[in-house]
Amino acid sequence: EVQLVESGGGLGQPGGSLRLSCAASGFTFRSYWMHWVRQAPGKGLVWVSRINPDGSSTNYADSVKGRFTISRDNANNTLYLQMNSLRTDDTAVYYCARRSSSQPPYYFDFWGQGALVTVSS
Amino acid sequence: DIQMTQSPSSLSASVGDRVTITCRASQNIINYLNWYQQKPGRAPEVLIYGASSLQSGVPSRFSGSGSGTDFTLTISSLQPEDFATYYCQQSYSTPWTFGQGTKVEIK
Repeated sequence: EVQLVESGGGLGQPGGSLRLSCAASGFTFRSYWMHWVRQAPGKGLVWVSRINPDGSSTNYADSVKGRFTISRDNANNTLYLQMNSLRTDDTAVYYCARRSSSQPPYYFDFWGQGALVTVSS
Repeated sequence: DIQMTQSPSSLSASVGDRVTITCRASQNIINYLNWYQQKPGRAPEVLIYGASSLQSGVPSRFSGSGSGTDFTLTISSLQPEDFATYYCQQSYSTPWTFGQGTKVEIK
């Protein structure tokens, strides 16, 4: 059974840092593109970042570029999101999501349960 | 970035109703269009991928159609468990973008 379990959320200060983790199980983690998607309270879904299977290629939304870093540890089946220079508008539930592996069109076929990040002084 | 516009933003419907939600892309995305359902406090789940392919395990009352810039999600006979928020999403180009969501409420 595919499972994605986020951790590391909580309260962060403006200008501070937090690191989210996403532990993957039930599939060959090193073979999949992985993404982060966030959702501010009461708002819609917003794509944040993605990383290719070996970690050599990453992309970011403009709103987090230069502040957030996505990475992965394929030996330990874990995805990360390092969030620096936090702003109050980074407050959201952060989901890790697996990209489907078949041919295009691609989609998110599995999601984690989400980790709440609150940025406040 | 490709903008995705859903309509309506919300709707009220009764059990058994046929419900249609539309999604328009700001440019041609061929069939790189996916639909997700999200219930309160839960992660989204994919219903339809590639505009019209039903994800395994999803009831057949859900269907998708369209290509290019205009897409539709149809629920043929609304069930109590279908009251949720629905999002379209394009995977044609990065950044992948979502529609603003359509909340389906009980009439």
